[in-house]
Amino acid sequence: DTEVTQTPKHLVMGMTNKKSLKCEQHMGHRAMYWYKQKAKKPPELMFVYSYEKLSINESVPSRFSPECPNSSLLNLHLHALQPEDSALYLCASSQEVAFAPYEQYFGPGTRLTVT
Amino acid sequence: KNEVEQSPQNLTAQEGEFITINCSYSVGISALHWLQQHPGGGIVSLFMLSSGKKKHGRLIATINIQEKHSSLHITASHPRDSAVYICAVQSLLGAGSYQLTFGKGTKLSVIP
Repeated sequence: DTEVTQTPKHLVMGMTNKKSLKCEQHMGHRAMYWYKQKAKKPPELMFVYSYEKLSINESVPSRFSPECPNSSLLNLHLHALQPEDSALYLCASSQEVAFAPYEQYFGPGTRLTVT
Repeated sequence: KNEVEQSPQNLTAQEGEFITINCSYSVGISALHWLQQHPGGGIVSLFMLSSGKKKHGRLIATINIQEKHSSLHITASHPRDSAVYICAVQSLLGAGSYQLTFGKGTKLSVIP
């Protein structure tokens, strides 16, 4: 199984809502990543977990809260978002430590719209 | 920080044409990735290179470490190849820590 799955595929939420994005992989990968991608731009790194511990937080606002409950699951909890947070949120995973020279496997993304 | 430049930004080709997309970077790397993203979709890893050349079907990727340059070639292009192609480089920061830097992508449109 070389797949990274993400749910939901699409999410529309108001600025006062609380929602969560979910990412799952069963490849035994120990590094998992959240990226944010705006239209016609490359992905921007948000968070990295290595061996279930947060290893990189790219100065992301606290309205985004990551969680890694186990080695296969990665969540991104959303609260009080702004319309400019509307984007495609991509999850990825790879072997070993963050960004070690192994292939990154990406999920299909969650298209988030904040109204 | 590694600077990654891709060219061209946009490319339109007729079906069957041979296509080349280029990527150059400023600092020595551990590995270079070529990624494909279809409109509105997730990202697929095409190649990971640290030296030489790799081939998969109609796709060929090459890297010249000395010149800090990589190319992605598509032979006999097809409309289904239409996508954004992204170059990304992994650099060792030190103490077992790495960084991944993305290029801005090349949008390819293949016309029947």
